[in-house]
Amino acid sequence: QVQLQESGPGLVKPSETLSLTCTVSGGSISRYYWSWNRQPAGKRLESIGRIYTTGNTNYNPSLKSRVSMSIDTSKNLFSLNLTSVTAADTAVYYCARARPGDAFDSWGQGTLVTVSS
Amino acid sequence: DIQMTQSPSSLSASVGDRVTITCRASEGISNYLAWFQHKPGKAPRSLIYAASSLQSGVPSKFSGSGSGTDFTLTISSLQPEDFATYFCQQYKTFPVTFGQGTKLEIK
Repeated sequence: QVQLQESGPGLVKPSETLSLTCTVSGGSISRYYWSWNRQPAGKRLESIGRIYTTGNTNYNPSLKSRVSMSIDTSKNLFSLNLTSVTAADTAVYYCARARPGDAFDSWGQGTLVTVSS
Repeated sequence: DIQMTQSPSSLSASVGDRVTITCRASEGISNYLAWFQHKPGKAPRSLIYAASSLQSGVPSKFSGSGSGTDFTLTISSLQPEDFATYFCQQYKTFPVTFGQGTKLEIK
């Protein structure tokens, strides 16, 4: 049973860069899309973007100018960087897995990131 | 982006009840619709994919239907562990988008 675990700072200062890692265990990182989603308190989930095992990426246009993702298949992990953060980026951040053309089948439990000075 | 409208936002029911949650897409998404169960502090759990296909290991008390723009999730014979938040997601086009969630509470 694959497991995903998000890790990273829980507090980031405004204008700085939010960096998170999702570690994948119990399964291969190959041939899947690996995604980041987030949910601000009281709001619906929002897609941030995804990365395929080849390194190809798709980013939500609403965040594209500030987002970058990377993947390390040798370490079974992938990462998110979100630059120039503001309070509006405060949310629970989730990583998730999907086969191409399929729905998410596994998620991490999420990590709360607060943007505050 | 495709907008997903889920209803109701909250639902109160008793153990043993059958409940239905609906999800409407702002444009046709064929059957590219998934349902998830989410409990606080836990990873969302995949229940249904392709609108009506049950994920492996999910009990048959969960069922999904619909195609195009209108979809439903039905949960029969509610048990205490079923009280959670449920949300839908379309994956026909990127970015994927989500319903706002339905909080299912014990009456």
